[in-house]
Formats: sequence, structure tokens, C-alpha cells
Amino acid sequence: SQTIHQWPATLVQPVGSPLSLECTVEGTSNPNLYWYRQAAGRGLQLLFYSVGIGQISSEVPQNLSASRPQDRQFILSSKKLLLSDSGFYLCAWRPLEHTQYFGPGTRLTVL
Amino acid sequence: AQSVTQLDSHVSVSEGTPVLLRCNYSSSYSPSLFWYVQHPNKGLQLLLKYTSAATLVKGINGFEAEFKKSETSFHLTKPSAHMSDAAEYFCVISGGYNKLIFGAGTRLAVHP
Repeated sequence: SQTIHQWPATLVQPVGSPLSLECTVEGTSNPNLYWYRQAAGRGLQLLFYSVGIGQISSEVPQNLSASRPQDRQFILSSKKLLLSDSGFYLCAWRPLEHTQYFGPGTRLTVL
Repeated sequence: AQSVTQLDSHVSVSEGTPVLLRCNYSSSYSPSLFWYVQHPNKGLQLLLKYTSAATLVKGINGFEAEFKKSETSFHLTKPSAHMSDAAEYFCVISGGYNKLIFGAGTRLAVHP
């Protein structure tokens, strides 16, 4: 069966510090991968998606970047966090049919 | 461009009564539509999906949704609410590359 992991589960970081969130998928190969952010009291916003290793598409201009160093690994990064980067970050993957499955999420608080 | 609008930000029902969460969509072609549920501090779980097959879609936990093209709606219903149904529900439409476009969410409260 397929499984999606995210870590860390929670993170508190000071403004201006770097960020690295990791997402890995098990039990599948060459999945489409997605990063979403959910700000407090709001719906989810797609940040990045990837259709393969090294292939990243950005949906919105922002302080974040994404990388896909391996087939089943998707990393969300920032060089300097802003207060507005606080939120709940969700990684998702897409199997062959029209469905996305989400990881457990990382709650990021920037102080 | 595709979009979804969830008509109610909060819905409150009593346990055992019906649930109706409303969603309208906008799409230039036949869409794929989904409902996801998010319990507090948890990830998202797929409740059900519509992908141009039967217009009445049955999901998990007794939920179902009906795709109505003439009304551009995809409302989520359940005959009898349970306390464990209290959560936030998102209506979602699939865009290009299967990017998901989320509604703003409806928070469902269930009272005893």
C-alpha cells in the first residue's frame, strides 16, 4: 500500500531562520507531488507541484522554494522565514486516477 | 478558470439531524469534483469524488454528494449527523495537472 510521510509534525522558528520540510512517499513510483499551505481559518493554497525528479512548478510568488532530489522525496525550503509563512503545510501525491492523498501535515509557527 | 464556492463558512446541526454543506463550482469543461474532510490539527481525508460517472456519489462515513450540472452544484449531504462528523469540509475541483483548487471550507459543528 502507498503511504505518505511528512516531518516534522510541528515546528516553531524565528523570523529570518531557514526552513526545510520533507515529504516522502512509499509504495509508488514517479508520483505527481504537491505542496499546499493552509493559513489559519482559510482553505488550502497550492504552492508547488512536481511531475518528476528536478521538475518543479511554482503556483504563487513567495518566500519559499521546493526541490525534488529523488523520485519519492519532495522538500519545501526557505532561506529566511517571514511571519506570513506561518501555517499548516500539507504534501500530497496523485495516483493514476483523479485523486490526491494528503500527508499528515506540518504546523509551522514563525515568531 | 475553475473555482469552487462554499456557500456557508459555518454550519451547526444537532446530532441525528441531516447535514447539508453547499458547494457551487465554475468550470469551462466537465470537472472532477471532490469533498475532503479535515479534523482538528489533522491532514485531509478524501470523502468522495465525482469524475463524470454517476451523478450521485457515495462516500465514506455515510456522506454522499450529487453533481447537478444545470445548477453547477455539488452539495454534500448526510441523513443523520454524528458527533464525530464535526470537522472542516472542503469542496475541491481538479485543474490542469490535477492541481486541486480548494473552496474556503465549511466548519461543521454537531451538538448533542
